[in-house]
Amino acid sequence: GENVEQHPSTLSVQEGDSAVIKCTYSDSASNYFPWYKQELGKRPQLIIDIRSNVGEKKDQRIAVTLNKTAKHFSLHITETQPEDSAVYFCAASISQAGTALIFGKGTTLSVSS
Amino acid sequence: SAVISQKPSRDICQRGTSLTIQCQVDSQVTMMFWYRQQPGQSLTLIATANQGSEATYESGFVIDKFPISRPNLTFSTLTVSNMSPEDSSIYLCSVEGAPKNNEQFFGPGTRLTVL
Repeated sequence: GENVEQHPSTLSVQEGDSAVIKCTYSDSASNYFPWYKQELGKRPQLIIDIRSNVGEKKDQRIAVTLNKTAKHFSLHITETQPEDSAVYFCAASISQAGTALIFGKGTTLSVSS
Repeated sequence: SAVISQKPSRDICQRGTSLTIQCQVDSQVTMMFWYRQQPGQSLTLIATANQGSEATYESGFVIDKFPISRPNLTFSTLTVSNMSPEDSSIYLCSVEGAPKNNEQFFGPGTRLTVL
């Protein structure tokens, strides 16, 4: 079955710096890769996603890249702000009806001002 | 995106009892899923709630322990049966297809503590 590895588990940056989180997946049939942000005590929020027919997608300060050959995808956050501090999860779809997701273990991002 | 609600938001239960969690969406959605998030951990898929048929369970989860219903396109329930302290977790439903296919949004979660 699908397995998703996520690195690093923790990431500390200074405000204004960039942050990069990387994930790898095992199932070449996976075709949808979302990223979620979860603040303490809240539900995961979808922040960006990418489909397997696209190599890169940007939305303001966040971007996601996908390398299907290498089976890895990354989240890039530029000009980080303290409110970006949260746990970020990557996920990959599994081959079944609908888009059931397998999640990485998460990255705790801390942005200090 | 769709508005998703869950009931109860939290509960404290005695071991050996069962709890049914409800998930309600304000619009019809193609797919609904149930996940578990243990304290400080990631999300683990329990099952896909199929409308009009039996749920599809992931490895490690069985129908006798986690029976699921989905009577229509806006509602689903997850029951945690014969609970033990190891079942203490946050249980989240998610929906897909509101508004776009593939995009999946989560309910607020149900925080369950088993004593």
